[in-house]
Amino acid sequence: AQKITQTQPGMFVQEKEAVTLDCTYDTSDPSYGLFWYKQPSSGEMIFLIYQGSYDQQNATEGRYSLNFQKARKSANLVISASQLGDSAMYFCAMSSMDSSYKLIFGSGTRLLVRP
Amino acid sequence: DAMVIQNPRYQVTQFGKPVTLSCSQTLNHNVMYWYQQKSSQAPKLLFHYYDKDFNNEADTPDNFQSRRPNTSFCFLDIRSPGLGDAAMYLCATSRVGLAEETQYFGPGTRLLVL
Repeated sequence: AQKITQTQPGMFVQEKEAVTLDCTYDTSDPSYGLFWYKQPSSGEMIFLIYQGSYDQQNATEGRYSLNFQKARKSANLVISASQLGDSAMYFCAMSSMDSSYKLIFGSGTRLLVRP
Repeated sequence: DAMVIQNPRYQVTQFGKPVTLSCSQTLNHNVMYWYQQKSSQAPKLLFHYYDKDFNNEADTPDNFQSRRPNTSFCFLDIRSPGLGDAAMYLCATSRVGLAEETQYFGPGTRLLVL
């Protein structure tokens, strides 16, 4: 069965510092996609970054990078130089043929950036 | 800019009074999804359309229906809303629904049931 686990319900980070949000996954499918979404209090789910299971390099998008450890089945999100606007809920998600290409979400991590 | 649009952003309805939420997209994507998200929870997939093919999740209540009259529009109908149906409803799209494809979400509709 497909599963995404986010073990940090809440996190604090000081403005301008880096923070890592943890995500582990479980699938028997060799081909899968991993996604991170940001959900501010307004409710919109904003796509941040994608990592494919066959990608050799870690994905990066501006201040976001994905630390992909395939053998450990982890896909941690690293946010560098945190900003106050980064305060939001963050969801890790996975899609694979085993899930009929539906997104399987983790329970989310609420990040609060302190000034 | 290509995008996913949801109307209204906030909807108040009465217990048992039918309500329709709408979603439109300018991405020309084949797949459209409806999610329900309750407070402090992850989104839960209700159903999705691949073109005109409707795919219902096994645990989606019969109270929830959907229509997709064309590629651009998709509607969520709640026939008899209960208090437990108060939630954020998110529409999303993807090009053809493969593992490596991103789902793009609209801003959501917050439903309140009185």
